[in-house]
Amino acid sequence: GQQLNQSPQSMFIQEGEDVSMNCTSSSIFNTWLWYKQDPGEGPVLLIALYKAGELTSNGRLTAQFGITRKDSFLNISASIPSDVGIYFCAGPLDSNYQLIWGAGTKLIIKP
Amino acid sequence: KAGVTQTPRYLIKTRGQQVTLSCSPISGHRSVSWYQQTPGQGLQFLFEYFSETQRNKGNFPGRFSGRQFSNSRSEMNVSTLELGDSALYLCASSVGQGADEQYFGPGTRLTVT
Repeated sequence: GQQLNQSPQSMFIQEGEDVSMNCTSSSIFNTWLWYKQDPGEGPVLLIALYKAGELTSNGRLTAQFGITRKDSFLNISASIPSDVGIYFCAGPLDSNYQLIWGAGTKLIIKP
Repeated sequence: KAGVTQTPRYLIKTRGQQVTLSCSPISGHRSVSWYQQTPGQGLQFLFEYFSETQRNKGNFPGRFSGRQFSNSRSEMNVSTLELGDSALYLCASSVGQGADEQYFGPGTRLTVT
């Protein structure tokens, strides 16, 4: 079945660093969604992508819909402590009644 | 517009009991999806409801059930609780199809002792 492979699994970052993460699939997607989850809370939608090649920004966050439609990328520029959390990618299953989710990328600030 | 609300936020139950969790979607949203999230794990899909009909179900035992009311509010029920059911239960609403942009509630933290 469809799966989303998200990498890296975790990242240690220093404040001010740029961060990149990606999500890949063996199947074509028509939509890519990026979420962030803080501990003990529900995920929050960051960016939604609907067109191959689309590049969309939300403040310091930029996400891209890969041209092959099998991948997506999320970049965070000049990271700050509140960027810590888990970032998930998601896309619609064939039935369109369900999203499938990557396993998440955990961002941790280096002490 | 108010966000997705879930009640209760925290719950402690003992093995063998049953529990009902409630979710109120964003006004105008007709689809509600439920997820289970255990520590360090991703989101495991439970089921999705639209117009009071379950359209899709994840790979969970029959002890997990749900329903949706005419006002789009949804409940999920877990019977005969097991220790492994301890998790954060999240509900998400979307305008139409469950695979649209989903907006999540804060979750219900269930602890089974």
